[in-house]
Amino acid sequence: DTEVTQTPKHLVMGMTNKKSLKCEQHMGHRAMYWYKQKAKKPPELMFVYSYEKLSINESVPSRFSPECPNSSLLNLHLHALQPEDSALYLCASSPGTPIGNGYTFGSGTRLTVV
Amino acid sequence: GEDVEQSLFLSVREGDSSVINCTYTDSSSTYLYWYKQEPGAGLQLLTYIFSNMDMKQDQRLTVLLNKKDKHLSLRIADTQTGDSAIYFCAESQSNDYKLSFGAGTTVTVRA
Repeated sequence: DTEVTQTPKHLVMGMTNKKSLKCEQHMGHRAMYWYKQKAKKPPELMFVYSYEKLSINESVPSRFSPECPNSSLLNLHLHALQPEDSALYLCASSPGTPIGNGYTFGSGTRLTVV
Repeated sequence: GEDVEQSLFLSVREGDSSVINCTYTDSSSTYLYWYKQEPGAGLQLLTYIFSNMDMKQDQRLTVLLNKKDKHLSLRIADTQTGDSAIYFCAESQSNDYKLSFGAGTTVTVRA
């Protein structure tokens, strides 16, 4: 299995809703990432988990809450989002630091906040 | 990202070669990558090159690295309509989890 699987593929949520994005990989990768991508822009790093511990938080607002229940799973809990948070949310993984192999990206969750 | 720069658009005729250029500023960059993103999809790693290499070829793809000028290019031979996408250049450093991405080059292949 050489994939990163993200669910759901599309999500529409209201500003008062609570929802979660899920990401799964079975490649034995020990680093997992959340990125946010606006249309026709490069991905922006949000969080990095290394060996199931949060190692980087790029000053992301607290309405985004990551969770890494085990080495294969990564969640992003969403609460009280704003319309400007609408974007493609990409999960990625790498064996450790991404040198050599880079990241393996999932196909993303397209989030619309209404 | 501000550390990696790319031209924004490239239009190429089907069957011709495409060349996408990228410059980076950090001389400690260890690996340089090319990712492809098709509409509505995630990013697909196309190829990468280690900073002590000058060239890497993989089927239709050729990567050239000029470390002195901090210039990276991706050549796609015999460009096809399926090559229409956004191409991102990215760099990483040893022991660093972050990839720094360029703004992306939108490649349009015309018949």
